[in-house]
Amino acid sequence: DTAVSQTPKYLVTQMGNDKSIKCEQNLGHDTMYWYKQDSKKFLKIMFSYNNKELIINETVPNRFSPKSPDKAHLNLHINSLELGDSAVYFCASSQGLAGVGAQYFGPGTRLLVL
Amino acid sequence: QKEVEQDPGPLSVPEGAIVSLNCTYSNSAFQYFMWYRQYSRKGPELLMYTYSSGNKEDGRFTAQVDKSSKYISLFIRDSQPSDSATYLCAMSSSGANSKLTFGKGITLSVRP
Repeated sequence: DTAVSQTPKYLVTQMGNDKSIKCEQNLGHDTMYWYKQDSKKFLKIMFSYNNKELIINETVPNRFSPKSPDKAHLNLHINSLELGDSAVYFCASSQGLAGVGAQYFGPGTRLLVL
Repeated sequence: QKEVEQDPGPLSVPEGAIVSLNCTYSNSAFQYFMWYRQYSRKGPELLMYTYSSGNKEDGRFTAQVDKSSKYISLFIRDSQPSDSATYLCAMSSSGANSKLTFGKGITLSVRP
């Protein structure tokens, strides 16, 4: 039983396309996150949602739009993909806000933009 | 100065060695400290979670936090080849807009 799952695991697409990544957690947590990990393995927060409300929105291009239909799901839609968007995107969840609740990560979605 | 600095790697040790991994930070508001282990092509896995200063032990792993020096450490005793992974420190303050700030990670290789 996977705690935090993401689909798809791999995504290869052309520049200019629009794509979505989905995340689901079955831990009963109330906070979910999207992180980006670049080629140097640096992990950086993009967005976080608490009880379906956006609470953190880092300096991320408007082409990235998160959506949380319910507490267990957080999706990421990316418009007009660029070469620099190539990275691994991780979803995570926690009970309570960042730090207060330890975060658990999904397996990642490897995005390659050609 | 970056908010979280982690010792650069990579680090290679023989099996059975004691490993010490370290991070320093500049934000005195940080109260929650974590260590994550990330195997190649996998998601980060929570290894240790500590609140405020002090030590925490879990099997072969010990996490130390020294808030006065803004310094945290992870010790691995009797290291095993299965410990070979990237280790990331992470920390956070409390509050509505708190977020986890990660170090850059250090890649550890334990040689049989």
